[in-house]
Amino acid sequence: AQSVSQHNHHVILSEAASLELGCNYSYGGTVNLFWYVQYPGQHLQLLLKYFSGDPLVKGIKGFEAEFIKSKFSFNLRKPSVQWSDTAEYFCALLGSYDKVIFGPGTSLSVIP
Amino acid sequence: NAGVTQTPKFRILKIGQSMTLQCAQDMNHNYMYWYRQDPGMGLKLIYYSVGAGITDKGEVPNGYNVSRSTTEDFPLRLELAAPSQTSVYFCASSPRRGESGYTFGSGTRLTVV
Repeated sequence: AQSVSQHNHHVILSEAASLELGCNYSYGGTVNLFWYVQYPGQHLQLLLKYFSGDPLVKGIKGFEAEFIKSKFSFNLRKPSVQWSDTAEYFCALLGSYDKVIFGPGTSLSVIP
Repeated sequence: NAGVTQTPKFRILKIGQSMTLQCAQDMNHNYMYWYRQDPGMGLKLIYYSVGAGITDKGEVPNGYNVSRSTTEDFPLRLELAAPSQTSVYFCASSPRRGESGYTFGSGTRLTVV
């Protein structure tokens, strides 16, 4: 079975706090993973992606994610969040037949 | 750069009505997708296409139809609208496999009453 789960439905942080959003996947093939961000009222945008090689992937806007194969995880991190990071974050997996499977999303609210 | 363009942005339909959601991309991408987004459910794949003339069902195709007569356009058809189809619909494209990441359109918010 192919699936993506995200640990937290809603996260609330103060500005300058550190962020870690959990993502776990289930897939038996070669793993390609993504994090997308959806700002309020907007469409999804790609934050970062992992194909192979260095398991620590750096993306836009200071985000990074670490692929840990033994834990089937791909957690998203940012050392210091800003109010403008308020958004919904989706972890995703490239599954069979070239289809991307999205997790349910984590809503992040950053309080000034 | 237009990217992926969806129209309309908002629409209210009555039960049983039909409509077509338009999606066009100007990046010469072969792969195109239709997703629906419901609160707390993430995105569910409705239909996808790997090139002109080729379409296939995704996870939740019932109640929808698609066509892909050109590389640029990938319209989604709702034949008999039902309240369960109230959702936000996103079209996306990618140049080849999804490994390059998707480019999303801005979405269509559909309400069926």
